[in-house]
Amino acid sequence: DVVLTQTPVSLSVTLGDPASISCRSSQSLEYSDGYTYLEWYLQKPGQSPQLLIYGVSNRFSGVPDRFIGSGSGTDFTLKISRVEPEDLGVYHCFQATHDPFTFGSGTKLEMK
Amino acid sequence: QVQLKESGPGLVQPSQTLSLTCTVSGFSLTSYNVHWVRQPTGKGLEWMGVIWTGGTTDYNSALKSRLSISRDTSKSQVFLKMNSLQTEDIATYYCARDWYNNFDYWGQGVMVTVSS
Repeated sequence: DVVLTQTPVSLSVTLGDPASISCRSSQSLEYSDGYTYLEWYLQKPGQSPQLLIYGVSNRFSGVPDRFIGSGSGTDFTLKISRVEPEDLGVYHCFQATHDPFTFGSGTKLEMK
Repeated sequence: QVQLKESGPGLVQPSQTLSLTCTVSGFSLTSYNVHWVRQPTGKGLEWMGVIWTGGTTDYNSALKSRLSISRDTSKSQVFLKMNSLQTEDIATYYCARDWYNNFDYWGQGVMVTVSS
């Protein structure tokens, strides 16, 4: 199975500061069709996960442009240019390139 | 508007079978795939399996021997059955709609405890 390693495990930031989360895969996530099925989800406290980024760098409908996804192959990054209070929660990366699909272990974003 | 809602018993006895229902609205099960994902309390997410628009299924190999996903398109319902439940299966179970291999809509989740 593909293992997604997220770092850091937790991230303490000041409002308005940038934040960066890494997701490293044990195998390349580029599918045979050339697409990379790497997504990012945010799970706010007490809520279901919500889709932020798909296909490495595409923001889902309604997602603010302060969320920026990047990467290729096995190394991916989610950056938040300026953290807002509503960005608190756990961020999960997810791959749907290889069966079984797998999630990273999560990164908890909290305020200082 | 798109909605998914999980339902089922919150408590299952060890070694028994878990049966959950995901009732969807706002879309057709013949047009969108539906996945099941679970999350042990305080832990990460685990993909369990999917029922494709054509009715075929794929399962996480770690659960395949115990898991079954089916549906009733006329009732807009997707069913999860997992047997031989143990304490490691204590989790919140979610169903989610598949949009190009992404999960664009999720249910609220249902918490399942395994205890005698």
